[in-house]
Amino acid sequence: DTEVTQTPKHLVMGMTNKKSLKCEQHMGHRAMYWYKQKAKKPPELMFVYSYEKLSINESVPSRFSPECPNSSLLNLHLHALQPEDSALYLCASSQEGSWGFYNEQFFGPGTRLTVL
Amino acid sequence: SQQGEEDPQALSIQEGENATMNCSYKTSINNLQWYRQNSGRGLVHLILIRSNEREKHSGRLRVTLDTSKKSSSLLITASRAADTASYFCATDGDNNAGNMLTFGGGTRLMVKP
Repeated sequence: DTEVTQTPKHLVMGMTNKKSLKCEQHMGHRAMYWYKQKAKKPPELMFVYSYEKLSINESVPSRFSPECPNSSLLNLHLHALQPEDSALYLCASSQEGSWGFYNEQFFGPGTRLTVL
Repeated sequence: SQQGEEDPQALSIQEGENATMNCSYKTSINNLQWYRQNSGRGLVHLILIRSNEREKHSGRLRVTLDTSKKSSSLLITASRAADTASYFCATDGDNNAGNMLTFGGGTRLMVKP
């Protein structure tokens, strides 16, 4: 199984809602990532989990809260979002390769989030 | 922040022609990767080139890396309409584990049948 799955595919939420995005991979990868992508822009790294521990937080506002319940799952909890948070949220995973470096990242199809 | 810049931002060619995209970056790297993204979808990894490599091939793809100029190019030969997508270079910058990618601005390629 070389697939990263993300649910839901689309999400519309109000600014007072609480919702969660989910990501799953069964490739045995030990690094998982959340990216945010605005239209016609490149993905921007938000969080990196390495061996189920948060290793990188790119100064993301606290209204985004990541969680890694186990080595296969990654969640992104959303609360009190703003309309400018509307974007495509991409999850990815990668395997640690030789020399301790990580290799290519496998991306999920993304969740299209709209904040009203 | 954007580590890489890509050139051109958009490229339109006829099927069968070759497409060349360029990427420049700012800091030292462990490796440079190229990804493809169809409209509104996830990214697909195309090729990875390590900092000690100068050229790499994969099918119709050819990637070069010039670390002295901090630049890379992606060549797609004999393009097909199905190659229409956005192409991004990604570098790992100063991150020693190589798992913190920064993407260039992307090149939007359109291949006309």
